[in-house]
Amino acid sequence: DAGITQSPRHKVTETGTPVTLRCHQTENHRYMYWYRQDPGHGLRLIHYSYGVKDTDKGEVSDGYSVSRSKTEDFLLTLESATSSQTSVYFCAISENGRSDTQYFGPGTRLTVL
Amino acid sequence: GEDVEQSLFLSVREGDSSVINCTYTDSSSTYLYWYKQEPGAGLQLLTYIFSNMDMKQDQRLTVLLNKKDKHLSLRIADTQTGDSAIYFCAETRGSNFGNEKLTFGTGTRLTIIP
Repeated sequence: DAGITQSPRHKVTETGTPVTLRCHQTENHRYMYWYRQDPGHGLRLIHYSYGVKDTDKGEVSDGYSVSRSKTEDFLLTLESATSSQTSVYFCAISENGRSDTQYFGPGTRLTVL
Repeated sequence: GEDVEQSLFLSVREGDSSVINCTYTDSSSTYLYWYKQEPGAGLQLLTYIFSNMDMKQDQRLTVLLNKKDKHLSLRIADTQTGDSAIYFCAETRGSNFGNEKLTFGTGTRLTIIP
């Protein structure tokens, strides 16, 4: 998976609790992305980063925040998890921001009860 | 509804050809992609086609693009059990170079019948 790890790989939490997912890369790529995958929706972009401390919203950013304090880590935070945020979350990286060079991590399955 | 649409399921006998279809909406998309997702794994880029091409062939994979109808297809020749996966088409939306964003279809689950 091109030097991308996600942690945790699985998490079960309760509604209203904060959750942070971590994406770590060893490729020194500039761009990092967070997607969620839901049945019948494919993958949808939550947030992305185009450099350290540079982030922007994707199409489904409500209820999520991100931080990138160093090149290798991109954190996704659910401040107060809701059941609608039960999903599989994928991180992706890209050296140059081109779509044909996005490499995906193994995913994190999050269940919010 | 989804901007990029695919059938959810496809079953094919081993050795036959599989054809996975996709319709998209953004005529300004510059590239269209096919990704493969195996169980428990992330997405793997299989192939892509530039919007000024009609066809691209890569070993067992053939991509056909009909821009008039905004229709993309992926043909897998001699389908094998290892081809069992979910296949996603994706398009790039108009954005600044160096910051392209992907819009994915719903995915088609391909099942191989022995």
